[in-house]
Amino acid sequence: DTAVSQTPKYLVTQMGNDKSIKCEQNLGHDTMYWYKQDSKKFLKIMFSYNNKELIINETVPNRFSPKSPDKAHLNLHINSLELGDSAVYFCASSQLSTAYGNTIYFGEGSWLTVV
Amino acid sequence: DQQVKQNSPSLSVQEGRISILNCDYTNSMFDYFLWYKKYPAEGPTFLISISSIKDKNEDGRFTVFLNKSAKHLSLHIVPSQPGDSAVYFCAASGGDGNKLVFGAGTILRVKS
Repeated sequence: DTAVSQTPKYLVTQMGNDKSIKCEQNLGHDTMYWYKQDSKKFLKIMFSYNNKELIINETVPNRFSPKSPDKAHLNLHINSLELGDSAVYFCASSQLSTAYGNTIYFGEGSWLTVV
Repeated sequence: DQQVKQNSPSLSVQEGRISILNCDYTNSMFDYFLWYKKYPAEGPTFLISISSIKDKNEDGRFTVFLNKSAKHLSLHIVPSQPGDSAVYFCAASGGDGNKLVFGAGTILRVKS
């Protein structure tokens, strides 16, 4: 009964490949996110969607494209993978779309290694 | 530009004693603060939060203190237990609305 689930958990791929990470939440939340934890361990928001609509798009390369087929799913597709894309990617969800008073629930993370 | 700073990368505490984790922020527009706990190979889980209209919020063994004038918050865990060993992230939001800004985390080790 995992609340926010993402797959795959581990992914090793070569430079130049295209890969996707899938995310699903069963909490009935309206807002979903993708966060990236880089080598310095900071968690930084990449995207957020509210009811399938993009509301936050940080300065992320165009090679990263989120897709939300419905409000329970937010997938992340990455084209032409680069070494610097190696990181842990966390999917998350929340009931609110605003940050104040909001609690964000995270998935377990997807460890992406580009070789 | 790190708006949320956790200057102690790690902290080691004896079981039963108090753990104090610190967090500083630079953005005076921040008005909501949270602490998340993260075990290895898992996602961060929400621990406790505080709004800028308060200076203290308590939940069981966990208390968060907010000092707005110093732009500082701290998380107190009393008594510390070995199961509290994890990475603790401080996070803040406000001003530009929807973004939660995280610190780099502090590794807490509680020794039995």
